[in-house]
Formats: sequence, C-alpha cells, structure tokens
Amino acid sequence: QKEVEQNSGPLSVPEGAIASLNCTYSDRGSQSFFWYRQYSGKSPELIMFIYSNGDKEDGRFTAQLNKASQYVSLLIRDSQPSDSATYLCAVNSGGSNYKLTFGKGTLLTVNP
Amino acid sequence: GAVVSQHPSRVICKSGTSVKIECRSLDFQATTMFWYRQFPKQSLMLMATSNEGSKATYEQGVEKDKFLINHASLTLSTLTVTSAHPEDSSFYICSARNGEETQYFGPGTRLLVL
Repeated sequence: QKEVEQNSGPLSVPEGAIASLNCTYSDRGSQSFFWYRQYSGKSPELIMFIYSNGDKEDGRFTAQLNKASQYVSLLIRDSQPSDSATYLCAVNSGGSNYKLTFGKGTLLTVNP
Repeated sequence: GAVVSQHPSRVICKSGTSVKIECRSLDFQATTMFWYRQFPKQSLMLMATSNEGSKATYEQGVEKDKFLINHASLTLSTLTVTSAHPEDSSFYICSARNGEETQYFGPGTRLLVL
C-alpha cells in the first residue's frame, strides 16, 4: 500500500513568517511530487511540482525533495492570510496513467 | 492554460434517481481524466481513471455499475451516479492530465441526495 503522510495540523503561523509543510512517502520508486492548495469548499489547485532532489523555487514557494529520506516539503515565505488553506502533498504512483496518491493534507492558518 | 470545468457545480436530487456530472478540459486535450470523491474534512479519494475511448479503471471498492464513467472524447468525461442514495452525497472532483504528469482539477460538483 503506497502511503503519503502529512501532519494534519493545524499549523498556525503569524503573517510574514515562513510556513513549513512536510510530507513523507512510502514508495521509494516514486518519481514526481506535487503540492496542491485547497481552500475550504473548493477543489485543489496546483502550486508546484518537483522531480529532482534539492530545492525548487517559485515566487514565495519553495519545494524541497530528498528522495533518500523519502521526504518532500513546501516552504511558504512571507506568509499571508490568503495562504490559509489545506495543503495537499501528492506523489506519482507510477504506471502509464500517472495516478497520484494524496496525503490527507495539512491545514495552515496564517494569523494577521 | 490547463483549465478544467465541471457541470453542474451543485445538484440536489431525490434518492433513487441518477445524476450525470460532466468534466471538460477547455484548452487542452486530456490524455487521462480522473474522478475523485471527497467527504467533509477528509482527503481526496480516487474513484476511477479514464482514458478516451477505453473503459475506465476503477479503484478497489468503487462499484463500476453504480458510478458509470464515459470518456467519449479527449475533452469530455462524464460520471453518472446511478440510483443515488444519501450516502452518495459528497464532493465529486475531476482532474485531467495533458500528456505530462500534472493533474489539473475541475471546480468540483457538490451532490446532495435527499
């Protein structure tokens, strides 16, 4: 059973701080990793993806991947109240259809 | 780019009726479409994977005769919930893959079965 684990939170940070969201996965053969943001009552929206070990930056977001430790993280710099949402980590389960296995998500609250 | 739409956004129906939900990729051809269900405060649960012109592949525990999926074209997939019951009330979300690995999600359909 391929699993993706996230701390459910809630993670609470003050406005302007760095929010750090973590994710571990069980399938060592996983090749691609995704972070989605889901506001309450809405569907997920893609934030970024990462394939290679190391860091990948996109604006205020940085994804970090360590395949040896089977660990993915998302850093949000200068957190804003509008970043308050559930963040879903997803891992490509493999196969020709590229199914994603999702974690249960971490609820982030950014306090003004 | 990579916009996915769903229709309807919300539907209320009586127990025993069937409900059809449409998922469209608006600006790309979707190699594969996925159907998910999400209950309140729970994570996404993949129901099935569909490729254009092929039968859908259902996840374990999902009844294929109850959740009929048709993927008639590269831009349209439909999910029909047959003989819906209150326990089928949920948030149904589709996603589409454009040939790469990334999935783009539709806005979801909230189904309430009375």
